[in-house]
Amino acid sequence: QVQLQESGPGLVKPSETLSLTCTVSGGSLRSYYWSWIRQPPGRGLEWIAYIYYSGSTKYNPSLKSRVTISVDTSRNQFSLKLTSVTAADTAVYYCARGPGNSSGWYGNDYWGQGTLVTVSS
Amino acid sequence: SYGLTQPPSVSVSPGQTARITCSGDALPKQYTYWYQQKPGQAPVLMMYKDSARPSGIPERFSGSSSGTTVTLTISGVQAEDEADYYCQSADSSGTYWVFGGGTKLTVL
Repeated sequence: QVQLQESGPGLVKPSETLSLTCTVSGGSLRSYYWSWIRQPPGRGLEWIAYIYYSGSTKYNPSLKSRVTISVDTSRNQFSLKLTSVTAADTAVYYCARGPGNSSGWYGNDYWGQGTLVTVSS
Repeated sequence: SYGLTQPPSVSVSPGQTARITCSGDALPKQYTYWYQQKPGQAPVLMMYKDSARPSGIPERFSGSSSGTTVTLTISGVQAEDEADYYCQSADSSGTYWVFGGGTKLTVL
């Protein structure tokens, strides 16, 4: 069974960089896309970005200038960096497998439990 | 920017049929995916490629598509189906992905 676990600071100061890592167990990164998705408290889901295991990426245009997603297949991890954060970036951040694999698009079928990141001084 | 539109809320009595819609200009070209999220939990994939059910999802959940609107139908709604439901799709070029605003399903 594939499992994902987010890790990183739960508190980030305004203007600083939010950094999160997702560790995947029970399966390989190979042949899959891997996503970051966030959810501000009491609000809906927002897609941030995805990365293919080989390193190709797609970003949400509204966040593209501040976001970098990367993958480390040797550690079975992928990561998110969001620069110049503000209070508006306070959210539960989820990592997830998908939205597809080398065979096509199948949605985000496995999710981490999510980690709350608060932006505050 | 591209967006998907869902009704904020849907209410049904147990045993009835709930229909949750998702509208978007690119939906005739792009598949839609549906997620169920209960309070304090991560979303769960309920439907992919408009109408395909992942393993383990009850048969009472079904999906359909017509033009710019896709519909998640829950037949014989049960109390445990009360949750937020989100649709997801890509823009017309497949460049980026979006979620709908979410629909809160209340089982009366």
